[in-house]
Amino acid sequence: NAGVTQTPKFQVLKTGQSMTLQCAQDMNHEYMSWYRQDPGMGLRLIHYSVGAGITDQGEVPNGYNVSRSTTEDFPLRLLSAAPSQTSVYFCASSLGSNSPLHFGNGTRLTVT
Amino acid sequence: EDKVVQSPLSLVVHEGDTVTLNCSYEVTNFRSLLWYKQEKKAPTFLFMLTSSGIEKKSGRLSSILDKKELSSILNITATQTGDSAIYLCAVPSGNTPLVFGKGTRLSVIA
Repeated sequence: NAGVTQTPKFQVLKTGQSMTLQCAQDMNHEYMSWYRQDPGMGLRLIHYSVGAGITDQGEVPNGYNVSRSTTEDFPLRLLSAAPSQTSVYFCASSLGSNSPLHFGNGTRLTVT
Repeated sequence: EDKVVQSPLSLVVHEGDTVTLNCSYEVTNFRSLLWYKQEKKAPTFLFMLTSSGIEKKSGRLSSILDKKELSSILNITATQTGDSAIYLCAVPSGNTPLVFGKGTRLSVIA
Protein backbone atom coordinates (compact mmCIF):
# COMPACT_ATOMS: atom_id res chain seq x y z
CA ASN A 1 0.00 0.00 0.00
CA ALA A 2 2.14 2.90 -1.30
CA GLY A 3 -0.05 5.92 -0.36
CA VAL A 4 1.61 9.13 -1.60
CA THR A 5 4.95 8.71 -3.36
CA GLN A 6 7.29 11.62 -4.01
CA THR A 7 10.47 11.62 -6.06
CA PRO A 8 13.25 12.55 -5.79
CA LYS A 9 14.02 12.60 -2.06
CA PHE A 10 16.88 15.06 -2.48
CA GLN A 11 17.83 17.47 -5.25
CA VAL A 12 20.44 20.17 -5.72
CA LEU A 13 19.93 22.73 -8.47
CA LYS A 14 21.83 25.72 -9.72
CA THR A 15 20.06 29.06 -9.99
CA GLY A 16 18.10 29.23 -13.24
CA GLN A 17 17.72 25.49 -13.74
CA SER A 18 14.30 23.92 -14.06
CA MET A 19 13.03 20.62 -12.73
CA THR A 20 9.89 18.66 -11.91
CA LEU A 21 9.04 17.13 -8.55
CA GLN A 22 6.93 14.04 -9.03
CA CYS A 23 3.96 13.02 -6.88
CA ALA A 24 1.69 10.01 -7.27
CA GLN A 25 -1.05 8.58 -5.06
CA ASP A 26 -2.85 5.25 -5.28
CA MET A 27 -5.81 6.00 -2.97
CA ASN A 28 -8.09 7.44 -5.66
CA HIS A 29 -8.16 10.77 -3.86
CA GLU A 30 -9.65 13.71 -5.71
CA TYR A 31 -7.74 16.39 -3.81
CA MET A 32 -3.99 16.79 -4.21
CA SER A 33 -1.76 19.61 -3.04
CA TRP A 34 1.81 20.82 -2.76
CA TYR A 35 3.23 22.50 0.34
CA ARG A 36 6.62 23.88 1.16
CA GLN A 37 8.07 23.85 4.65
CA ASP A 38 10.69 26.31 5.82
CA PRO A 39 12.11 26.62 9.35
CA GLY A 40 9.69 28.46 11.61
CA MET A 41 7.12 28.91 8.82
CA GLY A 42 4.96 25.82 9.10
CA LEU A 43 3.50 24.37 5.90
CA ARG A 44 2.55 26.83 3.18
CA LEU A 45 0.30 25.86 0.28
CA ILE A 46 1.79 26.30 -3.21
CA HIS A 47 -0.84 24.84 -5.56
CA TYR A 48 -3.69 22.40 -5.25
CA SER A 49 -6.10 20.42 -7.38
CA VAL A 50 -9.67 19.29 -6.64
CA GLY A 51 -9.73 16.79 -9.50
CA ALA A 52 -8.20 15.88 -12.83
CA GLY A 53 -7.95 18.91 -15.10
CA ILE A 54 -8.52 21.43 -12.28
CA THR A 55 -5.75 23.32 -10.48
CA ASP A 56 -5.61 26.48 -8.41
CA GLN A 57 -3.07 28.65 -6.62
CA GLY A 58 -2.34 28.55 -2.95
CA GLU A 59 -0.56 31.02 -0.70
CA VAL A 60 2.89 30.96 -2.38
CA PRO A 61 2.45 30.00 -6.08
CA ASN A 62 5.05 32.25 -7.74
CA GLY A 63 7.82 30.38 -9.55
CA TYR A 64 5.90 27.10 -9.63
CA ASN A 65 3.64 25.42 -12.15
CA VAL A 66 1.35 22.38 -11.83
CA SER A 67 -0.92 20.25 -13.98
CA ARG A 68 -3.30 17.39 -13.20
CA SER A 69 -3.88 15.20 -16.22
CA THR A 70 -4.79 12.10 -14.18
CA THR A 71 -6.29 11.47 -10.74
CA GLU A 72 -3.07 9.75 -9.63
CA ASP A 73 -0.36 12.25 -10.59
CA PHE A 74 0.31 15.86 -9.61
CA PRO A 75 3.78 17.06 -10.65
CA LEU A 76 5.24 20.37 -9.47
CA ARG A 77 7.48 22.26 -11.90
CA LEU A 78 10.08 24.82 -10.92
CA LEU A 79 10.44 27.05 -13.94
CA SER A 80 13.71 28.83 -13.11
CA ALA A 81 15.08 27.86 -9.71
CA ALA A 82 16.05 30.56 -7.23
CA PRO A 83 17.83 30.25 -3.85
CA SER A 84 14.55 31.36 -2.18
CA GLN A 85 13.05 28.06 -3.35
CA THR A 86 15.43 26.09 -1.14
CA SER A 87 12.96 24.19 1.04
CA VAL A 88 11.35 20.87 1.84
CA TYR A 89 8.43 20.13 -0.45
CA PHE A 90 5.52 17.91 0.55
CA CYS A 91 2.84 16.50 -1.70
CA ALA A 92 -0.43 15.49 -0.06
CA SER A 93 -3.77 14.00 -1.04
CA SER A 94 -7.19 13.72 0.54
CA LEU A 95 -10.72 12.57 -0.20
CA GLY A 96 -12.05 16.11 0.06
CA SER A 97 -11.41 19.56 1.49
CA ASN A 98 -12.63 18.51 4.94
CA SER A 99 -10.67 15.27 5.13
CA PRO A 100 -7.26 14.53 6.68
CA LEU A 101 -4.31 14.97 4.35
CA HIS A 102 -2.03 12.04 3.57
CA PHE A 103 1.52 13.25 3.00
CA GLY A 104 4.41 11.97 0.95
CA ASN A 105 7.84 11.76 2.57
CA GLY A 106 9.01 15.03 1.11
CA THR A 107 11.69 16.30 -1.27
CA ARG A 108 14.57 18.33 0.14
CA LEU A 109 15.57 20.87 -2.52
CA THR A 110 18.65 23.05 -2.38
CA VAL A 111 19.21 25.82 -4.93
CA THR A 112 22.73 27.24 -5.07
CA GLU B 1 -7.86 35.67 5.29
CA ASP B 2 -8.19 32.48 7.30
CA LYS B 3 -5.35 31.82 9.70
CA VAL B 4 -4.09 29.54 12.43
CA VAL B 5 -1.85 30.60 15.31
CA GLN B 6 -0.05 28.12 17.55
CA SER B 7 1.66 28.69 20.85
CA PRO B 8 4.21 28.28 22.18
CA LEU B 9 6.47 27.99 19.15
CA SER B 10 8.86 25.79 21.07
CA LEU B 11 8.84 23.99 24.39
CA VAL B 12 11.35 21.91 26.35
CA VAL B 13 10.11 19.57 29.07
CA HIS B 14 11.40 16.62 31.08
CA GLU B 15 10.15 13.09 30.68
CA GLY B 16 7.02 12.53 32.72
CA ASP B 17 5.81 16.12 32.48
CA THR B 18 2.38 17.03 31.11
CA VAL B 19 2.26 19.56 28.29
CA THR B 20 -0.49 21.63 26.72
CA LEU B 21 -0.17 22.98 23.21
CA ASN B 22 -2.46 25.75 21.99
CA CYS B 23 -4.06 26.50 18.65
CA SER B 24 -6.34 29.42 17.80
CA TYR B 25 -8.03 29.94 14.46
CA GLU B 26 -9.87 32.46 12.36
CA VAL B 27 -11.85 30.88 9.57
CA THR B 28 -14.90 32.08 7.67
CA ASN B 29 -16.87 28.85 7.75
CA PHE B 30 -15.56 26.50 10.41
CA ARG B 31 -15.86 22.81 9.63
CA SER B 32 -13.07 21.10 11.50
CA LEU B 33 -9.66 21.41 13.15
CA LEU B 34 -6.90 18.85 12.70
CA TRP B 35 -3.75 18.02 14.66
CA TYR B 36 -0.65 16.46 13.12
CA LYS B 37 2.66 15.19 14.53
CA GLN B 38 5.81 15.63 12.49
CA GLU B 39 9.00 13.85 13.40
CA LYS B 40 11.77 13.54 10.83
CA LYS B 41 9.68 13.22 7.70
CA ALA B 42 6.04 13.71 6.78
CA PRO B 43 3.35 14.93 9.17
CA THR B 44 1.16 12.15 10.49
CA PHE B 45 -2.50 12.65 11.38
CA LEU B 46 -3.47 12.64 15.06
CA PHE B 47 -6.98 14.02 15.53
CA MET B 48 -9.82 15.72 13.72
CA LEU B 49 -12.23 17.78 15.81
CA THR B 50 -15.62 18.99 14.60
CA SER B 51 -18.72 20.59 16.05
CA SER B 52 -20.07 17.10 16.66
CA GLY B 53 -16.83 15.72 18.04
CA ILE B 54 -15.13 18.27 20.25
CA GLU B 55 -13.00 15.85 22.28
CA LYS B 56 -10.65 13.14 21.09
CA LYS B 57 -8.31 10.87 23.03
CA SER B 58 -5.71 8.34 22.09
CA GLY B 59 -3.51 6.94 24.79
CA ARG B 60 -1.60 9.78 26.45
CA LEU B 61 -2.73 12.33 23.86
CA SER B 62 -6.02 14.18 24.02
CA SER B 63 -7.48 17.21 22.33
CA ILE B 64 -10.39 19.53 22.96
CA LEU B 65 -12.10 22.04 20.69
CA ASP B 66 -13.53 25.26 22.13
CA LYS B 67 -15.73 26.75 19.42
CA LYS B 68 -16.69 29.69 21.59
CA GLU B 69 -13.04 30.69 22.06
CA LEU B 70 -12.08 29.61 18.50
CA SER B 71 -9.30 27.47 19.85
CA SER B 72 -8.10 23.98 20.59
CA ILE B 73 -5.60 22.40 22.94
CA LEU B 74 -3.53 19.26 22.59
CA ASN B 75 -2.54 17.62 25.86
CA ILE B 76 0.21 15.06 26.27
CA THR B 77 0.51 13.40 29.66
CA ALA B 78 3.52 11.50 31.04
CA THR B 79 5.68 12.70 28.15
CA GLN B 80 8.35 10.45 26.68
CA THR B 81 11.37 11.24 24.49
CA GLY B 82 9.46 9.72 21.59
CA ASP B 83 6.96 12.57 21.84
CA SER B 84 9.64 15.00 20.66
CA ALA B 85 8.33 16.39 17.39
CA ILE B 86 6.70 19.37 15.74
CA TYR B 87 2.97 19.46 16.40
CA LEU B 88 0.90 21.14 13.70
CA CYS B 89 -2.62 22.47 13.86
CA ALA B 90 -4.66 23.07 10.68
CA VAL B 91 -8.13 24.03 9.47
CA PRO B 92 -9.77 23.66 6.07
CA SER B 93 -10.37 27.01 4.39
CA GLY B 94 -13.15 27.18 1.83
CA ASN B 95 -12.46 24.77 -0.99
CA THR B 96 -8.70 24.78 -0.43
CA PRO B 97 -6.67 22.17 1.42
CA LEU B 98 -5.63 22.76 4.99
CA VAL B 99 -4.23 26.02 6.32
CA PHE B 100 -1.50 25.23 8.86
CA GLY B 101 -0.13 27.06 11.83
CA LYS B 102 3.62 27.42 12.24
CA GLY B 103 3.76 24.50 14.64
CA THR B 104 5.03 23.90 18.15
CA ARG B 105 8.43 22.21 18.44
CA LEU B 106 8.33 19.98 21.51
CA SER B 107 11.55 18.60 22.96
CA VAL B 108 11.33 16.02 25.73
CA ILE B 109 14.56 15.42 27.59
CA ALA B 110 15.36 12.44 29.78
